[in-house]
Amino acid sequence: QQQVKQSPQSLIVQKGGIPIINCAYENTAFDYFPWYQQFPGKGPALLIAIRPDVSEKKEGRFTISFNKSAKQFSLHIMDSQPGDSATYFCAASKGNGGATNKLIFGTGTLLAVQP
Amino acid sequence: GAVVSQHPSWVICKSGTSVKIECRSLDFQATTMFWYRQFPKQSLMLMATSNEGSKATYEQGVEKDKFLINHASLTLSTLTVTSAHPEDSSFYICSAGLGTQHFGDGTRLSIL
Repeated sequence: QQQVKQSPQSLIVQKGGIPIINCAYENTAFDYFPWYQQFPGKGPALLIAIRPDVSEKKEGRFTISFNKSAKQFSLHIMDSQPGDSATYFCAASKGNGGATNKLIFGTGTLLAVQP
Repeated sequence: GAVVSQHPSWVICKSGTSVKIECRSLDFQATTMFWYRQFPKQSLMLMATSNEGSKATYEQGVEKDKFLINHASLTLSTLTVTSAHPEDSSFYICSAGLGTQHFGDGTRLSIL
């Protein structure tokens, strides 16, 4: 019940395309859902996060869609660029996303944006 | 704001030695820090929660005598891998934050 399932494992898109990464969770106590971007040899960097009281959140080219009833959420990257090529992780936690709450990570998606 | 720094970024050592990794919060105080382990092309696995002034809380399956955590101040947590062996080679990452978690840039540990 603590798992967060993520798909696809890898994804290749052309520049300007809209890659979509999906995550699903089981634990209804989760109330904070962030997405992280990780480049090789670096730690993850927070991209965008959502709480279950909204169905969509947009920040720049990144959009999270959230379906509370289905317990699913997804990341959309608009107008993708080669510089977006990285590994993306979804995560979930309880406690409204406070920095002292454990994050449960998805398995990651390796995105390649071809020029 | 909320910068987390790790040191060293890369360490290579012989089997049987102990290695200490530092995690610092540069512009904020952190009563809680987290330590993760990441194998190549895999996700981050939480190892332990580091609590300032008290014992760390380890996740199931993590050997607390193998991975010693000390959180002696509000800006520093250390992870010591004791008697390291090749199977301990991995990417170790810490996190802390204000409001949300921010991650350090990780430490690549290679045990020969």
